[in-house]
Amino acid sequence: DQQVKQNSPSLSVQEGRISILNCDYTNSMFDYFLWYKKYPAEGPTFLISISSIKDKNEDGRFTVFLNKSAKHLSLHIVPSQPGDSAVYFCAASYTGTYKYIFGTGTRLKVLA
Amino acid sequence: GAGVSQSPSNKVTEKGKDVELRCDPISGHTALYWYRQSLGQGLEFLIYFQGNSAPDKSGLPSDRFSAERTGGSVSTLTIQRTQQEDSAVYLCASSSAAHDTQYFGPGTRLTVL
Repeated sequence: DQQVKQNSPSLSVQEGRISILNCDYTNSMFDYFLWYKKYPAEGPTFLISISSIKDKNEDGRFTVFLNKSAKHLSLHIVPSQPGDSAVYFCAASYTGTYKYIFGTGTRLKVLA
Repeated sequence: GAGVSQSPSNKVTEKGKDVELRCDPISGHTALYWYRQSLGQGLEFLIYFQGNSAPDKSGLPSDRFSAERTGGSVSTLTIQRTQQEDSAVYLCASSSAAHDTQYFGPGTRLTVL
């Protein structure tokens, strides 16, 4: 019973183009979402978050969009750079809980 | 300004042996989490500590798994009588409070032969 799903295990994008990583969730109680990036042999590092009171949050080249009615969020990276090549995890939580539910990750490869 | 550290970085053990994995959180972080990432899977929540107490142990896969935290700092995850399905990367994270950004350690890769 996966409450947070990342249906694309991998994605390849040309350098300079946009990368779009998708995440779907099933629990309507989730009100806080995060994206983490993970390089091989390292722990995940926090990238960007969004609260359910917003539908968009932007930080430099990274923008997260939240569509609550569709229970869908996406991470846009523009422009994509080779250093963005990593595994990206989305995670969800809700107020009153400390537990984060993670997706299975999407491996992004940015081609030079 | 050290981040979260974990030891050992790699552990190879024989089936049936006990193992201990250690996590040193960021100083002052009261919340500490253990996760497991099996091959091709996402991060699976195991246990959460607030201070030295663990309000939720429901993620621990079996009674062979236990964890403790002392002094509100270092935590140890113990796996008794290891099985091959315990092979995974075990990740520790800490945060300044529950629901705040979690900072992850590099993980311990456990291989059970």
